[in-house]
Formats: sequence, structure tokens, C-alpha cells
Amino acid sequence: AQTVTQSQPEMSVQEAETVTLSCTYDTSESNYYLFWYKQPPSRQMILVIRQEAYKQQNATENRFSVNFQKAAKSFSLKISDSQLGDTAMYFCAFISTGTASKLTFGTGTRLQVTL
Amino acid sequence: KAGVTQTPRYLIKTRGQQVTLSCSPISGHRSVSWYQQTPGQGLQFLFEYFSETQRNKGNFPGRFSGRQFSNSRSEMNVSTLELGDSALYLCASSFSGRGADTQYFGPGTRLTVL
Repeated sequence: AQTVTQSQPEMSVQEAETVTLSCTYDTSESNYYLFWYKQPPSRQMILVIRQEAYKQQNATENRFSVNFQKAAKSFSLKISDSQLGDTAMYFCAFISTGTASKLTFGTGTRLQVTL
Repeated sequence: KAGVTQTPRYLIKTRGQQVTLSCSPISGHRSVSWYQQTPGQGLQFLFEYFSETQRNKGNFPGRFSGRQFSNSRSEMNVSTLELGDSALYLCASSFSGRGADTQYFGPGTRLTVL
């Protein structure tokens, strides 16, 4: 079974600063995908970024980028130039190509962006 | 394209009752997955439907069931409600349900069991 661990329950960052959210996972699979989802307060979950495990290049999406270390089973999210609208719960998630549609989520990191 | 929609958004039930939640996927998506989100257990996978067939199931009791219709809309049913069933129920749709396809989430149905 796969597990996803997010060791930072809460984080705070000032507007315009950079913050990194940590995620580690455990799996015996070789083909899988990793995701970061954002869930703003009382709003729906949206995809922030995704990474294919077979790709060595780290994914980037505007101000969001990941540091994917496959050997270490680490998948951290970096948010640059933080904005107030980035305030949300961030979930790291894993899906194996062999387990249709079953996302395994971490416990989440609550990020607060302050002025 | 319209996003994933879920109805109702809020529900209050009492113990022992049953409830049905509905999910309409993004047009063209054939896979619908359901997740339960609680403060204590986090996000847990319930089941996934593809082309009207349950393809994958999480570790939940048989009181939790679902189905999918020919238009890909899905319903989940919880019978004999317990206090611990209070949660946000999320559905997500994707084109094929395989790992390569991103799952898009609906706003959720918040169920409160009294």
C-alpha cells in the first residue's frame, strides 16, 4: 500500500515571499503520478501541479514548482511570490498507474499568507 | 466546459436514516470517484465507477454504495447513517480514471448526521 506524508500541519508566509511545502511518499511501484491539490477555505479542491514519475524534469506551473527526488521519494512544492489567494490547505497526492482512480492523499498543510 | 457538480451541497440527517448524493462529471469524462473528507481521517477513497461499473473500492463498510448511469452521472448512497459518517463527500471526474488523467473535483456535499 502507498502512503503519503506531509509533516508540516501549518505554515505561514508573508506576501511576496517564497515557501516550500514538504511531502514524502512510500511505494513499491515504479510508474506513478504525484499531484499537489489546493483547497481554499470553503471552496473546492483544484489541481496545482502534477508530476509524472518517469520524467526527471521537475514540473513548473507559473509561480508553482516542484522538487521531485524519486530516489528519496520526496515531492516538495515551492510557491514563489506568495499571494493572499494562495491561502489554503495543500494536499500532496499519489496515484499508481495500476490502481485506477485511487488517489492517496497526505494529511495536508494549511498555508496562511499574511500581509 | 462546466465543472463537476454535486447536489445537494448541504445535508442534515439523523442516525439510522439513509442518504443519496449526486455527482455530475465534466462532459466527456467517464470515470467518477468518490472521497470522504473528515478532520480525523483526512481524505479517503470510497470507490470509482467507469462505464457504469464499479472498478475500484476503498475500505468502507457495505453501508456505502454507489452507482453510475449511462450519462456518467453517479450517485452514492449511505444507509443506516452513523454519527461518524458526518463528513464532506467529494466526487472527482476524469476521462478514463487512469493515473495519467487528472481528476477534477466537485465542491462537495457536506453531510451532518445528528
